Amino acid sequence: NAGVTQTPKFRVLKTGQSMTLLCAQDMNHEYMYWYRQDPGMGLRLIHYSVGEGTTAKGEVPDGYNVSRLKKQNFLLGLESAAPSQTSVYFCASTPDIQETQYFGPGTRLLVL
Amino acid sequence: AQSVTQLDSQVPVFEEAPVELRCNYSSSVSVYLFWYVQYPNQGLQLLLKYLSGSTLVKGINGFEAEFNKSQTSFHLRKPSVHISDTAEYFCAVKKGGSYIPTFGRGTSLIVHP
Repeated sequence: NAGVTQTPKFRVLKTGQSMTLLCAQDMNHEYMYWYRQDPGMGLRLIHYSVGEGTTAKGEVPDGYNVSRLKKQNFLLGLESAAPSQTSVYFCASTPDIQETQYFGPGTRLLVL
Repeated sequence: AQSVTQLDSQVPVFEEAPVELRCNYSSSVSVYLFWYVQYPNQGLQLLLKYLSGSTLVKGINGFEAEFNKSQTSFHLRKPSVHISDTAEYFCAVKKGGSYIPTFGRGTSLIVHP
């Protein structure tokens, strides 16, 4: 069981470039989440999914899009990167809303 | 909307001393409560959780937390800390029936030798 994996681990982008972050989980979890973590701000929810084919906006969705075409994968896209999107991005999944979230190792993104 | 307040952004402590990390939340309705730990350059891992039942919850690595409904608090404690406990600690609250947990801003525990 690999748990929750994230690809890539680190990326540098120039302003205006696009990219996709991949989150994969092998635990058959229904719910998946994308967060960003910035110093002193804790974790802020970007988007989440309550099942295959569904997505919903979180607290800070602007500038991001997501897709969940397969139950095990949750993709986060940046269409036109901005320096304000420099952050560490975490993906998480959970089998049930009462249960703990399982986190990936994070993707460090630097936008120049 | 639910809010979570971690009262200390940083807690320095000497090794083998006791520690308490404080967490208060806004809602008194049915909630699920979690403490997570984040070691440097890693994702978050669950320390312990409260869903129902006994208000004293024991977790991994000798940590425990007490759910206090009247004070809407869920403080994390450890009687004797180790250097290896140096990490960021996050309190999270999920309202019953909600898909989305609310995280506090984190408390940095720094254990000095």
